[in-house]
Amino acid sequence: SQTIHQWPATLVQPVGSPLSLECTVEGTSNPNLYWYRQAAGRGLQLLFYSVGIGQISSEVPQNLSASRPQDRQFILSSKKLLLSDSGFYLCAWTGQMQETQYFGPGTRLLVL
Amino acid sequence: DQQVKQNSPSLSVQEGRISILNCDYTNSMFDYFLWYKKYPAEGPTFLISISSIKDKNEDGRFTVFLNKSAKHLSLHIVPSQPGDSAVYFCAASDLEAGNNRKLIWGLGTSLAVNP
Repeated sequence: SQTIHQWPATLVQPVGSPLSLECTVEGTSNPNLYWYRQAAGRGLQLLFYSVGIGQISSEVPQNLSASRPQDRQFILSSKKLLLSDSGFYLCAWTGQMQETQYFGPGTRLLVL
Repeated sequence: DQQVKQNSPSLSVQEGRISILNCDYTNSMFDYFLWYKKYPAEGPTFLISISSIKDKNEDGRFTVFLNKSAKHLSLHIVPSQPGDSAVYFCAASDLEAGNNRKLIWGLGTSLAVNP
């Protein structure tokens, strides 16, 4: 069966510090991968998605970047965090040509 | 422009009664719709989906109805249980160029089931 992992679960970072959140998927190959952010307790905002290694599409201009160095690994990064980067970050995967996305447990990021 | 709208931010029902969560969409090209359930500080969990070629899909206590002419879908939970208390998201599938599917999300409805 497929599983998706995210770490860390919680992160408190100062403004201006770098960020690296990791997401890995097990039990499947060549998944589509997604990064979302949920801010203010409601709404899921799609940040990035990837259909293959090294292929990243950005949905909104922002302070964040994403990379996919391996087939089942998706990384969300920032060089300098802003207060507005605080939120709940979710990684999701789906099979090729499939609609249903499956989510990881999320990372709660607090930028102080 | 919100293409998927959940106009009720919250809903409260009594245990054992029916919960009806509503969702409207504006894009007639959407061809697949999904409902997710989310507890605080957890990732959303897939509940049930429906293709645009159907008007009803049932899975246990959960039933989704699709009215394409009205661009409206609803999730029925019968009977409602306290463990159903969560935020429910409606999402629609948008097939873009290159066969990559993205989900367009509503803002969610917070359901409280009271014992």
